[in-house]
Amino acid sequence: DQQVKQNSPSLSVQEGRISILNCDYTNSMFDYFLWYKKYPAEGPTFLISISSIKDKNEDGRFTVFLNKSAKHLSLHIVPSQPGDSAVYFCAADTDKLIFGTGTRLQVFP
Amino acid sequence: DAGVIQSPRHEVTEMGQEVTLRCKPISGHDYLFWYRQTMMRGLELLIYFNNNVPIDDSGMPEDRFSAKMPNASFSTLKIQPSEPRDSAVYFCASSTDGGEPQHFGDGTRLSIL
Repeated sequence: DQQVKQNSPSLSVQEGRISILNCDYTNSMFDYFLWYKKYPAEGPTFLISISSIKDKNEDGRFTVFLNKSAKHLSLHIVPSQPGDSAVYFCAADTDKLIFGTGTRLQVFP
Repeated sequence: DAGVIQSPRHEVTEMGQEVTLRCKPISGHDYLFWYRQTMMRGLELLIYFNNNVPIDDSGMPEDRFSAKMPNASFSTLKIQPSEPRDSAVYFCASSTDGGEPQHFGDGTRLSIL
């Protein structure tokens, strides 16, 4: 049973617009979350994280929002660029990482 | 600095053969993780080590899978005998103690015919 879920397998966004990637989790004890980005034929690379003591964390064009009551987090990319086209994984960090199945983002000109 | 190094990058073999995947973690990293990526299940943790000791192997699918870490700079994941359903991309990752994000290798794409 998936404890971390990314229900949208793919997302297509025009360059310059906002990309919003969503992630849901089932365990209210999860208190630290990460987003990883993965290009084809490469390993995932860390993008941004958030602790449950915060509801927002920002790093340049990337912002992660956490709604603990809804057990939901989202990654916003503004403005989206073609180089952002990749698969994005959210993960809950317990004593190990529990990953979602990923969302493939395509940013077109 | 060199990242996590995995070999081979691609492996194609016939069902029933033994497969050995290799990983060199980042120097100084105390934790090493093996993951499997499939379309259906995404990234699944198979096993992880701390200071060369296996800590959690609950993700290892069955006895055909085994992993070792004989020293701080090398780990292997072995499948014997291999089956077509083992076809996937296998990733190795490493991290330090203290919650630093894991660093992933570029993976081994395994195809069992």
